[in-house]
Amino acid sequence: DGGITQSPKYLFRKEGQNVTLSCEQNLNHDAMYWYRQDPGQGLRLIYYSQIVNDFQKGDIAEGYSVSREKKESFPLTVTSAQKNPTAFYLCASSVSGQGLLGYTFGSGTRLTVV
Amino acid sequence: DQQVKQNSPSLSVQEGRISILNCDYTNSMFDYFLWYKKYPAEGPTFLISISSIKDKNEDGRFTVFLNKSAKHLSLHIVPSQPGDSAVYFCAASAIQGAQKLVFGQGTRLTINP
Repeated sequence: DGGITQSPKYLFRKEGQNVTLSCEQNLNHDAMYWYRQDPGQGLRLIYYSQIVNDFQKGDIAEGYSVSREKKESFPLTVTSAQKNPTAFYLCASSVSGQGLLGYTFGSGTRLTVV
Repeated sequence: DQQVKQNSPSLSVQEGRISILNCDYTNSMFDYFLWYKKYPAEGPTFLISISSIKDKNEDGRFTVFLNKSAKHLSLHIVPSQPGDSAVYFCAASAIQGAQKLVFGQGTRLTINP
């Protein structure tokens, strides 16, 4: 079955450490996205990539970095510069020009800074 | 600047009745509007969508209405079922904006037996 896989499901990080969240899809989608969800807030866009080896900042990119070396993979690194990293992180993918089809989301990674 | 707003954080409806979830937007350039359903600790799942050239789209128990002049859309669920209890997000995208989805804050719907 095609889908999008995020790992790990839960992640604990000490302050000052970088951590990388994995996102893999086998849907042959061109575009991939990272969103962050905080309690009482909607999903906010961190980074997105429409093609391999290219990505753009979203609304809250500060303190995050990404890479898109393969079509299937779009890992997100939460750096020590991110002031409030504790959140639920969602990866998504879509066909180019998704319009009415929307995104397919992964099941998310909950990151907690301890 | 919140381009997509869901002003009701929560909604409680009796099983079998109609649930109406509302969403307002400010960007007149949006071309597509979508509704997602989300259970705790899971990713959102796509529910229904509508193009800006239409004012209604129906899929089974779910109907989305779009009022472009008021910049308002709503999702109707009839009849409501216990499995509909979840958080519902509306989202919008513009062709000129690389079709990135902009999400509202979400409305928690609770269906009471």
